[in-house]
Amino acid sequence: NAGVTQTPKFRVLKTGQSMTLLCAQDMNHEYMYWYRQDPGMGLRLIHYSVGEGTTAKGEVPDGYNVSRLKKQNFLLGLESAAPSQTSVYFCASSYSGGADPLHFGNGTRLTVT
Amino acid sequence: EDQVTQSPEALRLQEGESSSLNCSYTVSGLRGLFWYRQDPGKGPEFLFTLYSAGEEKEKERLKATLTKKESFLHITAPKPEDSATYLCAVPTDSWGKLQFGAGTQVVVTP
Repeated sequence: NAGVTQTPKFRVLKTGQSMTLLCAQDMNHEYMYWYRQDPGMGLRLIHYSVGEGTTAKGEVPDGYNVSRLKKQNFLLGLESAAPSQTSVYFCASSYSGGADPLHFGNGTRLTVT
Repeated sequence: EDQVTQSPEALRLQEGESSSLNCSYTVSGLRGLFWYRQDPGKGPEFLFTLYSAGEEKEKERLKATLTKKESFLHITAPKPEDSATYLCAVPTDSWGKLQFGAGTQVVVTP
């Protein structure tokens, strides 16, 4: 049982480049989330999805897009990377939202130069 | 606005030296409070959910408690393997969106 798998683990981009982060979960969870973690600021929600085909904005959505074409996958895209997007990105999933605990992947460390 | 504040930011303990971490929160309508453990280079790992004031949960050397305004994570007789960053979080709505605190980094030395 892999849980939540994120690829890639590390990535370095130049300013203006684009990329997609992939999150896959094998727990049949309905809800999926993308967070970013920066020193001293805690985890902040970028976008989330409450089911296949749905997406919604979180706290810090600017500069990011997401898609949930399949229930098990949640993609995070950076259209034109900026140094301010240097961060560690975590994907999480839960069965039914609400007070259901989130299960996290091990993150993608992104550096934008 | 929903807020979660953790203190202290960092805690250095000797093995066996018990201590407590604090998580204070302001949220409209508490749906629960989560504690997570995060090791370097890893994602947060779920520890506990507390739902109502007065509730307590335990796991090995960890005990979490909840009041109407704050939660405590007590670490009893810690061991070096308890070294980690401990995060608390509260759901802000029914969609499971979590507001996280910045975490407390705990280092336990032999």
